[in-house]
Formats: sequence, C-alpha cells, structure tokens
Amino acid sequence: QSVLTQPPSVSAAPGQKVTISCSGSSSNIGNNHLSWYQQVPGTAPKLLIYEDDKRPSGIPDRFSGSKSGTSATLGITGLQTGDEADYYCGAWDGSLNTGVFGGGTSLTVL
Amino acid sequence: EVQLVESGGGLVQPGGSLRLSCAASGFTFSSYAMTWVRRAPGKGLDWVSSISDNSDSTYYADSVRGRFTISRDNSKNTLYLQMNALRVEDTALYYCAKGKIFDSGLGSWGQGTLVTVSS
Repeated sequence: QSVLTQPPSVSAAPGQKVTISCSGSSSNIGNNHLSWYQQVPGTAPKLLIYEDDKRPSGIPDRFSGSKSGTSATLGITGLQTGDEADYYCGAWDGSLNTGVFGGGTSLTVL
Repeated sequence: EVQLVESGGGLVQPGGSLRLSCAASGFTFSSYAMTWVRRAPGKGLDWVSSISDNSDSTYYADSVRGRFTISRDNSKNTLYLQMNALRVEDTALYYCAKGKIFDSGLGSWGQGTLVTVSS
C-alpha cells in the first residue's frame, strides 16, 4: 500500500489529453513539493515535473503539473505512442521522514 | 552531460551483504544530495535512502533502516549503499539518482544495478 495513491492505469487515443491523479495527505503533498517521473519499459525513470508544476529543460510543454491541497495532477496533451510508460508521483513525507512514491500509473495510448 | 553508473549488484543469499557503488560525472558531485531508489520485479518505484551533499544528513526507508547504510566520497565522486542482512524482498533493480525527491526532484538517474537475494 503506497503512501501516495495513483490510479493503476489510464488510457486515451493518440492526440488526446489524459490526466493522472496523485492523492496524499498533509504530511506529504499538502506541505511539500511534488515531482513526477516517467519510466518507459526497459529504461531508467525520467523527471518530468518538479516543485509541483515546473518542467526541467527538454521536457515538452505537453506535460504539465498542478497541485491543490493534498492532491496533484499530471496532465499530458497531444498523446503520442511514445508516451506509453509508467508514471509516478513522488514527495517527501514529513511525518515518516522519508521519500515516498505513488504506486504508479500505466498509460496506454490506444 | 550528467552520467551515473551503478555497479556492485549480483546474486546473494538471504542474510548476506553487498555494497553498491554509483560513479558520478558531468556535474559538481559535492554540491548535490543523492538518492537510491529501487524497483522490484512487477512492482513500482520504492524510495530507499538519501544523503545530503556533505554527508551531514542521511535518511532511510523504514524497510531498510538498520540494515542499509548510505555514504559518499566526494573526492571520488562516488555514492555507496552498503546492504547487510539482505532479504528476499530486497530483490530489485537499484538506481542512484541526483538530487532529492522534493525541491528540484531526482533530475538524473543511472541505468541501475540488479540485486537478487535468493537461496
């Protein structure tokens, strides 16, 4: 059971938009910055979003992050087959004094 | 270009030990916190441990605290994870990553080193 809760899977057609939710508590998302990661099968994870809504250089603006209270959302527009991957949210938990990840969401581009 | 290269994984019996290394290049290693993350077969990412830039602060997941020790040698640009009393459930691909899971996030990752704990 992960501290951060994500849906196990989402799917959408090429060109469409999808959102992935991440739900936590005041000890993690509610009071600490959140980051999002993409892991394409067989490769290392890649940082997509940091500090809730910032994109590292090289990450296209098709990817966006938002946060409200103890929940966060990753948005992906203009879906491409290359976006098929597992997506994870991550944050610091001040009560546990550890980092925590969501359970991951598998994106299928139909 | 940032490069992180893990090594030291392998097959070990339950109760055994391994030391993982992560050789860093392409950035000022001594200026960044570093983190270990693992992914067990069929499971998601699992945060393991972090260390501050000057080694003053270390943090561990409950599942590894007391068994694993994170350390770094800034003169060698190398991060370590000493793993003792290994359990079957520690079997995973272990990644080192630059940064912390909060603030600027885990900005660069290695390709991982596989640890298999089995009798």
